[in-house]
Amino acid sequence: ILNVEQSPQSLHVQEGDSTNFTCSFPSSNFYALHWYRWETAKSPEALFVMTLNGDEKKKGRISATLNTKEGYSYLYIKGSQPEDSATYLCAFDTGRRALTFGSGTRLQVQP
Amino acid sequence: DTEVTQTPKHLVMGMTNKKSLKCEQHMGHRAMYWYKQKAKKPPELMFVYSYEKLSINESVPSRFSPECPNSSLLNLHLHALQPEDSALYLCASSQEHGRGHQPQHFGDGTRLSIL
Repeated sequence: ILNVEQSPQSLHVQEGDSTNFTCSFPSSNFYALHWYRWETAKSPEALFVMTLNGDEKKKGRISATLNTKEGYSYLYIKGSQPEDSATYLCAFDTGRRALTFGSGTRLQVQP
Repeated sequence: DTEVTQTPKHLVMGMTNKKSLKCEQHMGHRAMYWYKQKAKKPPELMFVYSYEKLSINESVPSRFSPECPNSSLLNLHLHALQPEDSALYLCASSQEHGRGHQPQHFGDGTRLSIL
């Protein structure tokens, strides 16, 4: 059983705040680390696929970093907006089976 | 709009009923997946199809029967389900399974309730 953990479980911030969450995963058999955003009543939307140690990826105000040696990834949101409210899921990929998801960080951004 | 379409969006069925969930994608993806997601838990993999062949079955009970009639369609046939099978069932697709660091594209899911 692969252990993929996300923290915090939930987060309430004010509009304009910057925030970050953590995904920790096994440091062996690493192939990729995926980040998804899942808004209520919609489908999970792929944000990033991180593959190399030290990777940094950016999409608008959202960015992510990867440390495969110590087994963690950070997701950052700069200047949070109400439309950023969603559950953010990370998923560990060994390339052999399918994705193992973390339980997610539920972000609520208050206007 | 999602590029993976799932029908129906909601389904209520009795324990003796037979029903099917459907999933369709037209992105030319050759890998398709079924996940089950219970409230406040992460999605859990059920099945993987790669090039229309079942490649992974995560010890799913036989009351769930997947079918991949062609590269664009994935079905999940349901029979004699239990109340604990009530969940959100998500379909996903990707270019290939286990190659190329590609993201999975998800449908909106089918919310299933077993009476």
